[in-house]
Amino acid sequence: AQKITQTQPGMFVQEKEAVTLDCTYDTSDPSYGLFWYKQPSSGEMIFLIYQGSYDQQNATEGRYSLNFQKARKSANLVISASQLGDSAMYFCAMREGRRTGGFKTIFGAGTRLFVKA
Amino acid sequence: GAVVSQHPSRVICKSGTSVKIECRSLDFQATTMFWYRQFPKQSLMLMATSNEGSKATYEQGVEKDKFLINHASLTLSTLTVTSAHPEDSSFYICSARTGGNTDTQYFGPGTRLTVL
Repeated sequence: AQKITQTQPGMFVQEKEAVTLDCTYDTSDPSYGLFWYKQPSSGEMIFLIYQGSYDQQNATEGRYSLNFQKARKSANLVISASQLGDSAMYFCAMREGRRTGGFKTIFGAGTRLFVKA
Repeated sequence: GAVVSQHPSRVICKSGTSVKIECRSLDFQATTMFWYRQFPKQSLMLMATSNEGSKATYEQGVEKDKFLINHASLTLSTLTVTSAHPEDSSFYICSARTGGNTDTQYFGPGTRLTVL
């Protein structure tokens, strides 16, 4: 069963505007972590932001913020003031707790973001 | 931040040969390392979880005799693709878990394997 779902294969955004990349997840474990990674054409995985299942507030890291809606099991990434260098593949990932996932991190299918000048 | 290296970054080999990929955590000890493969335009698929001093745990559908994993020390895990075939051509990425209070997972830069 799909545990991480990213429904947007590709997204376009105008430079300097904000964009939201969608991510929904499925788990029965009360303890889990949600991640967003950026993968440019070079292939390296760049960690962007983390949200723990017990965190009360939405995570923020600079221009990145995570819109965590626990009841809806969604963890959307918001990138503010988009830059041309933000063009890349973005992956949502989930790490389940020991009970169900053994601390493994699994990834969604990814969303390719194109920033237009 | 923590750094994870992989070697080689790119390898081209003939069909039937074996290829070893190294994954090192450079400034922390990683009791657990993970190996992923990524086909073009696809997501990362977890292949196996490597624990220092014990046998790796493979995901369903991954042949353990084909993809040999050795985690001999707290800073080194190796993936050996045995008798490689063209369908094994892929991007292989390792990651290392720091454990402890932060318990963060850092990724290596990846190894692109091309089997001719």
